[in-house]
Amino acid sequence: AQTVTQSQPEMSVQEAETVTLSCTYDTSESDYYLFWYKQPPSRQMILVIRQEAYKQQNATENRFSVNFQKAAKSFSLKISDSQLGDAAMYFCAYRNLRWETSGSRLTFGEGTQLTVNP
Amino acid sequence: DVKVTQSSRYLVKRTGEKVFLECVQDMDHENMFWYRQDPGLGLRLIYFSYDVKMKEKGDIPEGYSVSREKKERFSLILESASTNQTSMYLCASTARQGNLDYGYTFGSGTRLTVV
Repeated sequence: AQTVTQSQPEMSVQEAETVTLSCTYDTSESDYYLFWYKQPPSRQMILVIRQEAYKQQNATENRFSVNFQKAAKSFSLKISDSQLGDAAMYFCAYRNLRWETSGSRLTFGEGTQLTVNP
Repeated sequence: DVKVTQSSRYLVKRTGEKVFLECVQDMDHENMFWYRQDPGLGLRLIYFSYDVKMKEKGDIPEGYSVSREKKERFSLILESASTNQTSMYLCASTARQGNLDYGYTFGSGTRLTVV
């Protein structure tokens, strides 16, 4: 079974600064997807960024980028130029590449609560 | 705008009651999921369904059952609610198309309190 671990329950950052959220995972699969989701107080889960394990290039979405280290099974999220609207709970998640029944499920980490200070 | 709608945002029930949490999606998705979210534990999968009348247990199915009679609706049932089932419940759905990732859509959650 796959597991996802986020070792930072809480993080804080000053507005306009950079912060990195950590995530490690365990799997015996070679092909899979990794995700970072954001959950603001509205509770709506929002996809921040996605990484395919077969791609060596790290994914980037505007101010959000990842550092994907496949051998180390590490998947950290870097938020640059932090904004007040980035304050939220962030979840790291894993999914197998194959779609047969249980392959479509997401496995989540414990979450990291990010505070952005003005 | 595509949606996953959970019928209640907040719910308070008594111990021993039978509780129904409803989830409806309008995207014709095959796969639907029920997760439970607790502080420090993240989201844990209770049950999922990959087709009408099909279901599979997730990681924490004890005390729960599900029903999927129609493709768009996936219900979570607490047979006899207990205080340790006080939690946030999130529904999600996604399409099934080979190995392509069509992304997940989540509902806004139901915060259930069992007293």
